[in-house]
Amino acid sequence: GQNIDQPTEMTATEGAIVQINCTYQTSGFNGLFWYQQHAGEAPTFLSYNVLDGLEEKGRFSSFLSRSKGYSYLLLKELQMKDSASYLCAVSPYNTDKLIFGTGTRLQVFP
Amino acid sequence: GAGVSQSPSNKVTEKGKDVELRCDPISGHTALYWYRQSLGQGLEFLIYFQGNSAPDKSGLPSDRFSAERTGGSVSTLTIQRTQQEDSAVYLCASSLEGTSGVDSDTQYFGPGTRLTVL
Repeated sequence: GQNIDQPTEMTATEGAIVQINCTYQTSGFNGLFWYQQHAGEAPTFLSYNVLDGLEEKGRFSSFLSRSKGYSYLLLKELQMKDSASYLCAVSPYNTDKLIFGTGTRLQVFP
Repeated sequence: GAGVSQSPSNKVTEKGKDVELRCDPISGHTALYWYRQSLGQGLEFLIYFQGNSAPDKSGLPSDRFSAERTGGSVSTLTIQRTQQEDSAVYLCASSLEGTSGVDSDTQYFGPGTRLTVL
């Protein structure tokens, strides 16, 4: 099965950099996704990693290490609007679904 | 449409009543997914459609839950004899082809239906 762990809450200051970690135990997966979810809204897609390494998209980057069972989402130049929950999810082999962690609630302060 | 839409946005019902939740996926997306999100919990997979068939129903929590999809587009999730533990946000997502590890299989979510069972 899959077990995905993320910190429950994090805080950071506007303009800073924050790293949100995701660790997992899984028998194998196609890829690892990160979603952003503002309170009361739908999750929105941020990034997707298949191979080990860093994927960069503007202020957001995501890293994957399959051998270490570890991913992180890096948010640079934090803005107040980045206050949201960040969800880590994997798509297991031979399935068509996403398995989500419980999410990390990030609060950005001025 | 521009994105995934769901209706109603909020539904309050009494224990024991049946409810129907609707999802309109992004036009042209063949894969459709239902998830639910309970307070303080992660998103929980319910069912996956490819076209009109459901090859994966493994997440449906009981036989009170069923879903169908018609015309390869709209899907309806039905909960019979609702219980208080069914209270959650029910989210629908669609993707171009289904999860297989390529960009076209990224899932896009609707705004959800908040179900409250009294």
